[in-house]
Amino acid sequence: AQKVTQAQTEISVVEKEDVTLDCVYETRDTTYYLFWYKQPPSGELVFLIRRNSFDEQNEISGRYSWNFQKSTSSFNFTITASQVVDSAVYFCALSEIDSWGKLQFGAGTQVVVTP
Amino acid sequence: DTGVSQNPRHKITKRGQNVTFRCDPISEHNRLYWYRQTLGQGPEFLTYFQNEAQLEKSRLLSDRFSAERPKGSFSTLEIQRTEQGDSAMYLCASSVGLIPYGYTFGSGTRLTVV
Repeated sequence: AQKVTQAQTEISVVEKEDVTLDCVYETRDTTYYLFWYKQPPSGELVFLIRRNSFDEQNEISGRYSWNFQKSTSSFNFTITASQVVDSAVYFCALSEIDSWGKLQFGAGTQVVVTP
Repeated sequence: DTGVSQNPRHKITKRGQNVTFRCDPISEHNRLYWYRQTLGQGPEFLTYFQNEAQLEKSRLLSDRFSAERPKGSFSTLEIQRTEQGDSAMYLCASSVGLIPYGYTFGSGTRLTVV
C-alpha cells in the first residue's frame, strides 16, 4: 500500500506566484521522519528538509516553508514567489523508525514555473 | 569530495548482458542504500547495508540482482542477464547513525537496456 501520497501530478504557475505541494502519509509508528527532496532536470535528488514526528513546528527557509500537521497526516510544502529555477519534480518521503532509515517516496509533483 | 559518488553516470547495454554499478558513500557514513527510479515515479528502495552487512532486501530485488559492500566502504550493484524492464535510474544514498541524518543521494546511474 502506498504510504506517501502526492495527489498533484503537475502544477503550472507563472513566475512570482506561490505554489503549495500536498503530501499525505500513512504510518502506525509514533516515531518517524518526513522529508522533501527536489529533483531538477539534471536528475540529482536535492535534500530540502527533514522533520521528525515530534516536532510539529512549521519551518521557513527563505522562499520555502513547510506545514506539518499530525492530525491530518500531512506535510505540505509551499514555495513563495516562485522562480523559473524552482521548476523540478518534488518528492515527499517517509522514514519509519523500524525501517532502518529506508525512505518511502511519493510519486512526486512536477512544478513548472513559466516567466 | 564530500558527496556520494556513483559510476558510471550512464550505461547502455544489450539485453542479456551483465552490468555493474559502483557507489562511493560519504566516508563517515555507515549506512548505504540502493534505490531504483523509473520514469515518472519516485525512487523505490532496493537494499540497505550497515557497514558491510546487507540487512534488508526489497522484493523488487530479483535473483538477478546482487549487491555487495566489502569492508563497509564502497558498494557495487550487479544485474545479471539484463532485461528491458531493468532500464531505470539506480540511485545510491548514504547516511549516518540510527536515525536518517545527513541522508545524501548520489547523482545516479542511468541504465538503458536495448
